[in-house]
Amino acid sequence: DVKVTQSSRYLVKRTGEKVFLECVQDMDHENMFWYRQDPGLGLRLIYFSYDVKMKEKGDIPEGYSVSREKKERFSLILESASTNQTSMYLCASSYTGIGSGNTIYFGEGSWLTVV
Amino acid sequence: AQKVTQAQTEISVVEKEDVTLDCVYETRDTTYYLFWYKQPPSGELVFLIRRNSFDEQNEISGRYSWNFQKSTSSFNFTITASQVVDSAVYFCALGIYNQGGKLIFGQGTELSVKP
Repeated sequence: DVKVTQSSRYLVKRTGEKVFLECVQDMDHENMFWYRQDPGLGLRLIYFSYDVKMKEKGDIPEGYSVSREKKERFSLILESASTNQTSMYLCASSYTGIGSGNTIYFGEGSWLTVV
Repeated sequence: AQKVTQAQTEISVVEKEDVTLDCVYETRDTTYYLFWYKQPPSGELVFLIRRNSFDEQNEISGRYSWNFQKSTSSFNFTITASQVVDSAVYFCALGIYNQGGKLIFGQGTELSVKP
């Protein structure tokens, strides 16, 4: 079974802190994604990566950055956390593009509260 | 523009009732993929089904069935004889060929099945 693991399930951080959310997948997937989930808005794509050291902005990248130094690991960084970044964050991975018919697998999510 | 609409925010049924979750999508692309995911209270998104735009065959998997109709841009999901364990948030999502696995999610439908 595909395993996408997010390092922290629940975090509470203070405004202005730098926050790291870590994600690791064990299936040698090329693609990795970070989504944010908010009530009534569904999931929205923050950033994604097709390969090591490559990244592309999603729909809501403002206030976030990412790092992919190894194929299996994709980190989401909040440079200076703000209260409007309180949310559920979901990491996902897949083989190269769904054009080849591959499914995207999600982790369990990280609940971040910024106070 | 690409968009997914799940008009039903919350649905509540009694165990053993049948329930249909609606999903309407918008895209001008001719090659695309549609997904349903289940999100139980634990938070992880569980993949249920993937359909490509060239395959309009309905599918049945146990108590689950899916009705894909391109003429109405709909991909509805029916649970027959619902059970308490079906209680979850269900997301419909759209993926476009050559957009590298990015998914556009609907707002989600929260299904509550009461004993």
